[in-house]
Amino acid sequence: EVQLVESGGGLVQPGGSLRLSCAASGFTFSSYDMHWVRQATGKGLEWVSAIGTAGDTYYPGSVKGRFTISRENAKNSLYLQMNSLRAGDTAVYYCAREAKPGAGYFDYWGQGTLVTVSS
Amino acid sequence: EIVLTQSPGTLSLSPGERATLSCRASQSVSSSYLAWYQQKPGQAPRLLIYGASSRATGIPDRFSGSGSGTDFTLTISRLEPEDFAVYYCQQYGSSLSYTFGQGTKLEIK
Repeated sequence: EVQLVESGGGLVQPGGSLRLSCAASGFTFSSYDMHWVRQATGKGLEWVSAIGTAGDTYYPGSVKGRFTISRENAKNSLYLQMNSLRAGDTAVYYCAREAKPGAGYFDYWGQGTLVTVSS
Repeated sequence: EIVLTQSPGTLSLSPGERATLSCRASQSVSSSYLAWYQQKPGQAPRLLIYGASSRATGIPDRFSGSGSGTDFTLTISRLEPEDFAVYYCQQYGSSLSYTFGQGTKLEIK
């Protein structure tokens, strides 16, 4: 059974940093592109970052230069390092698996971890 | 960046009725890269449809997707009580960007 379990969320002050983790199981983690998607309370979904099987990374303009996605295949783990956090980054952060390379859609999602940026 | 606009924002229907949800793109989207998700309160999104019209594993056949170019539709043929949720469309663009629509809330009338 495919499982994605996020952790690392919490309360952080504006300008601070936080590192999220996603533990994957039930599939060959190294063979899949992985993503982070966030959702502010009561709002829609926003793609945050992607990492390919070769370690190539992609970001939207809203987080580029502040967020860094990485993976550790030996530990079946995905990470999101978030720096220079702003109030607008407050959201539930989901890790998600891209169904197959280049598929463009997400077939499995974690349950999410809440990040709150506030003083 | 391609913007996806979903309509209506809220759809009020009764169980047994047919639901038609729309997703319009600001530029043409490859049908291969248009997906639909269902999200219930407190839960992660669930993949329903990919490639505009292919049902994901385990999705009942009352859910169907159609469309091409800039206009896509999710249809639920006969609403079951568990279908009342928020639905999002999502596209994958050539510039390696992934965007979602703002969502349609399907509520019980």
